[in-house]
Amino acid sequence: DAGVTQSPTHLIKTRGQQVTLRCSPKSGHDTVSWYQQALGQGPQFIFQYYEEEERQRGNFPDRFSGHQFPNYSSELNVNALLLGDSALYLCASRLGLAGEGGETQYFGPGTRLLVL
Amino acid sequence: AQKITQTQPGMFVQEKEAVTLDCTYDTSDQSYGLFWYKQPSSGEMIFLIYQGSYDEQNATEGRYSLNFQKARKSANLVISASQLGDSAMYFCAMREENTGFQKLVFGTGTRLLVSP
Repeated sequence: DAGVTQSPTHLIKTRGQQVTLRCSPKSGHDTVSWYQQALGQGPQFIFQYYEEEERQRGNFPDRFSGHQFPNYSSELNVNALLLGDSALYLCASRLGLAGEGGETQYFGPGTRLLVL
Repeated sequence: AQKITQTQPGMFVQEKEAVTLDCTYDTSDQSYGLFWYKQPSSGEMIFLIYQGSYDEQNATEGRYSLNFQKARKSANLVISASQLGDSAMYFCAMREENTGFQKLVFGTGTRLLVSP
């Protein structure tokens, strides 16, 4: 049973470029959330996708956009990269939308993005 | 707005001893969930334990227990019989319940080092 997978594992970009990160949820999961974790900080919620729609969004600018495909996999796109976008980007998946009880999200290993 | 505070940047413990990692939270929600995650150097967030705001019993999962004091708004993690493999970052997180949303709000984390 495959867990959450993310690609690529590492990425180096320069300021102003665009980047696409990919996530495949755990088998059987249909909801995907993305988080940004800057060095020395806890993860910050970017957005959540369910049924191919963005359902909830954190305090991130429109440069951050996403997509969910019919097979539940997801992409995170960041345009006009800034130095401050350097971080670990984590994807998390779960089954269903309701957030109740101990049924929690499973996280992938993340993509480490460095913007020069 | 929800907020998680972890005041211990780093903790040291000897193998086989118990350690308590502190977490306090702030929320105006009546229904919420509290989580602890472990993040090894590989980056993946590993779910450890969950406590619902209406749960009367403190949660336990193997060597992990959550000391939930609702009136004090604290949710400390207790790790018994520490092992070398417990060395990692530990994050406390909160989720608003019963809304259909999956946003987790994380603290800044505590780095635990277990020595032989």
